[in-house]
Amino acid sequence: NAGVTQTPKFQVLKTGQSMTLQCAQDMNHEYMSWYRQDPGMGLRLIHYSVGAGITDQGEVPNGYNVSRSTTEDFPLRLLSAAPSQTSVYFCAATGEGYGYTFGSGTRLTVV
Amino acid sequence: QKEVEQDPGPLSVPEGAIVSLNCTYSNSAFQYFMWYRQYSRKGPELLMYTYSSGNKEDGRFTAQVDKSSKYISLFIRDSQPSDSATYLCAMSADDYKLSFGAGTTVTVRA
Repeated sequence: NAGVTQTPKFQVLKTGQSMTLQCAQDMNHEYMSWYRQDPGMGLRLIHYSVGAGITDQGEVPNGYNVSRSTTEDFPLRLLSAAPSQTSVYFCAATGEGYGYTFGSGTRLTVV
Repeated sequence: QKEVEQDPGPLSVPEGAIVSLNCTYSNSAFQYFMWYRQYSRKGPELLMYTYSSGNKEDGRFTAQVDKSSKYISLFIRDSQPSDSATYLCAMSADDYKLSFGAGTTVTVRA
């Protein structure tokens, strides 16, 4: 039982490039979220989903796009990478009353 | 002002000591409260999950929630070197949009 799987683990992008961070869960949980973690700032919510076909913005959505076509998958797209998007990205999934299970993270550097 | 404030630390304690971690919050709608542990270069791991006010105990860990004071705490008894990590408080009004504290790094010295 893998829980939440994120790929890739590491990525270096050039400014202006686009990419998709992949996230998959095998727990059949309704809720999924993307967070970014920066030093001294904790985790900040980028986008979240309460079920397949339903997504909404979090605290820091600018420059990111999401979709949720299935319960299992919740990819995060960077439209045009900027150095300010250098961060560690975490995907998480939860069912009501369980608390979130987090993936192992993607370390992204934008140069 | 941040919605969730966490004592910044870092904390360094001897093995066997009690570790006390605290967070305050401003949003009175929060009713789900969590503590996560995060080891270096790993994802956060859920330690404690509490709904509404009160205490919850799980082994060496005790979580306390005081909604009247908008204050939550985590206590670690008989701390071990393996407890050395960053501890994050998190809370939510709806159980799926979490607001996190910035984290407290704890080192337990053998």
